[in-house]
Amino acid sequence: DVKVTQSSRYLVKRTGEKVFLECVQDMDHENMFWYRQDPGLGLRLIYFSYDVKMKEKGDIPEGYSVSREKKERFSLILESASTNQTSMYLCASSRVNYGYTFGSGTRLTVV
Amino acid sequence: GNSVTQMEGPVTLSEEAFLTINCTYTATGYPSLFWYVQYPGEGLQLLLKATKADDKGSNKGFEATYRKETTSFHLEKGSVQVSDSAVYFCALSEGSTLGRLYFGRGTQLTVWP
Repeated sequence: DVKVTQSSRYLVKRTGEKVFLECVQDMDHENMFWYRQDPGLGLRLIYFSYDVKMKEKGDIPEGYSVSREKKERFSLILESASTNQTSMYLCASSRVNYGYTFGSGTRLTVV
Repeated sequence: GNSVTQMEGPVTLSEEAFLTINCTYTATGYPSLFWYVQYPGEGLQLLLKATKADDKGSNKGFEATYRKETTSFHLEKGSVQVSDSAVYFCALSEGSTLGRLYFGRGTQLTVWP
């Protein structure tokens, strides 16, 4: 089975810190995604990538950036964390004929 | 553009009751449609999918039929169990390229014994 691993399950960071959320998939999927999940708002797409070194903005990219230097790894970066970025972050990957796979999520609290 | 609208929750049912969670969509072209489930403290799991009109997806007693004429993909189960308590998300992707997913806001289902 494809596995998508997010490096941390829970994170607590201070306002203004630079935060890195890591996501690794082990099945050679081309596409990778970062979503943010908030109660009542569902999942909103932050950034996605269809290939190494490629990135596309999603619906809510402000305050975030991403990096994809290797096919299996897609990092989400909060340049200067703010309290309104407290949320659940979900990484996913996909490949045609194989479907989507989601990680277990990182619950980030910014204090 | 693409969007998904699903029934707002929370939905509370007794065990063995019939479940319907409505989902309608707006899409350009011919989307693929999905239902995902999220159990407490976990990530999203694919529950079922349909890739073309009139397809019926089914899994674990849940069913949904892709209705192009009504742009709907309603989730149904004939007899829910306590273990079905979770958040359910309807989603679509454009065509079959498995690019980004567009999600509904989720519906919290609680089943009481």
